[in-house]
Amino acid sequence: QVQLQESGPRLVRPSQILSLTCSVSGGSVSSGRYYWSWIRQPVGGGLEYFGRLSTRGSTNYSPYFKSRATISADTSRNQFSLDLRSVTAADSAVYFCARYTLDFGKSDMFDYWGPGIQVIVSS
Amino acid sequence: QSVLTQPPSASGTPGQRVAISCSGSSSTTGGNTVNWYQRVPGMAPRLVIYSNNRRPSGVPDRFSGSKSGTTASLAISPLQSEDEADYYCSAWHDDLDGPVFGGGTKLIVL
Repeated sequence: QVQLQESGPRLVRPSQILSLTCSVSGGSVSSGRYYWSWIRQPVGGGLEYFGRLSTRGSTNYSPYFKSRATISADTSRNQFSLDLRSVTAADSAVYFCARYTLDFGKSDMFDYWGPGIQVIVSS
Repeated sequence: QSVLTQPPSASGTPGQRVAISCSGSSSTTGGNTVNWYQRVPGMAPRLVIYSNNRRPSGVPDRFSGSKSGTTASLAISPLQSEDEADYYCSAWHDDLDGPVFGGGTKLIVL
């Protein structure tokens, strides 16, 4: 059973970098079969997709976050991370990491999720 | 504003059938498969329907999905109290090269 767990600071100052890590167990981020993603849910809002990472070399970002977000992996620790730059109060949200199973042209799904981490951006 | 359109709320009593709709366009739900996620506050989202109408292992057969044209639906029958949660649909967006979500539907079990 694949399990994911988010970690990182719960409070970030405006204009700083929000850095989160997702630890994966029961599966390998090095597996080329899957992508690894970050998604968030602002207070009172819906789910927002940041992008996906494959350790085979490709990283793809939502155009809404492409200029501010970086997703990277540490295969030695079986982890992947999100860096979100120049944060504002609007970036306060619950952040989730998830495994993304993608079969281009056929199907896609987030089949395993972490429990989420609440991050507040405030001075 | 979410790309896929869902009703903000739905409700039903235990034993009833309730359906939640998800409307998109030819670039999203019209040409690609739709997934449904259940989100109970404080818990990880859970995939309950994928590829329009398939249930992952462990999801009760009370949950079913369908799609016609650009509108997909999630049905729960018979409704149970533990089904009270927020439900989100998602679909691939051809122009964005990634998935998009609906705004979510809060399901209340009366």
